[in-house]
Amino acid sequence: EVVLTQSPGTLSLSPGERATLSCRASHSVSSSHLAWYQQKPGQPPRLLIYAASSRATGIPDRFSGSGSGTDFTVTISRLEPEDFAVYYCQQYVTSPLTFGGGTTVEIK
Amino acid sequence: QAQLVQSGAEVKTPGASVKVSCKASGYTFTNYVINWVRQVPGQGLEWMGWISGYNGNTEYAQKFQGRVTMTTETSTSTAYMELRSLRSDDTAVYYCARDMTVFGASHVFSVWGQGTMVTVS
Repeated sequence: EVVLTQSPGTLSLSPGERATLSCRASHSVSSSHLAWYQQKPGQPPRLLIYAASSRATGIPDRFSGSGSGTDFTVTISRLEPEDFAVYYCQQYVTSPLTFGGGTTVEIK
Repeated sequence: QAQLVQSGAEVKTPGASVKVSCKASGYTFTNYVINWVRQVPGQGLEWMGWISGYNGNTEYAQKFQGRVTMTTETSTSTAYMELRSLRSDDTAVYYCARDMTVFGASHVFSVWGQGTMVTVS
């Protein structure tokens, strides 16, 4: 099983600041089969990024993904009020599909 | 616009079974795979398995093998997830999520249901 470790657990930032979230895999995630989701309280997750760096439909370009192998990052260039949420990474290279434990981006 | 609408909250006693439905609209049901993901309140996401809307093929996470059954009813564009022998640690929100890729199983979840809270107590 591929274990995904996200860091930091919580990121306290102000609107307008840059956010960098990390996801590290216990085994190489080949072909960059890694996705990122955003979840707000009481809502289902929302797909942000797939294939490590491709934005999903309708996702603003302030969100960007990068990485390969075992280290992946999602960056929010300038935080908007609606970006404060929990972010999860997910690998889909091998079964069982697994998610990271999440990073909470909170308002400082 | 693709949409998944799930059945309402359930309260079950330990040892019982629960069956959650997920009704699809706005797209061709048989062209996509449906996954099931659960989330214990306040915790992370856990993948349970998937079912093909095309041919009913399934894959279950080993953790749930023998306890879960996923089915579809193509006439109503509905997917079902049944979990048996419920325990208190099965208390969670259960989501259905549609695969992103037509006729494929990319295992990227682009459309999600609203979630169904299942309480085992």
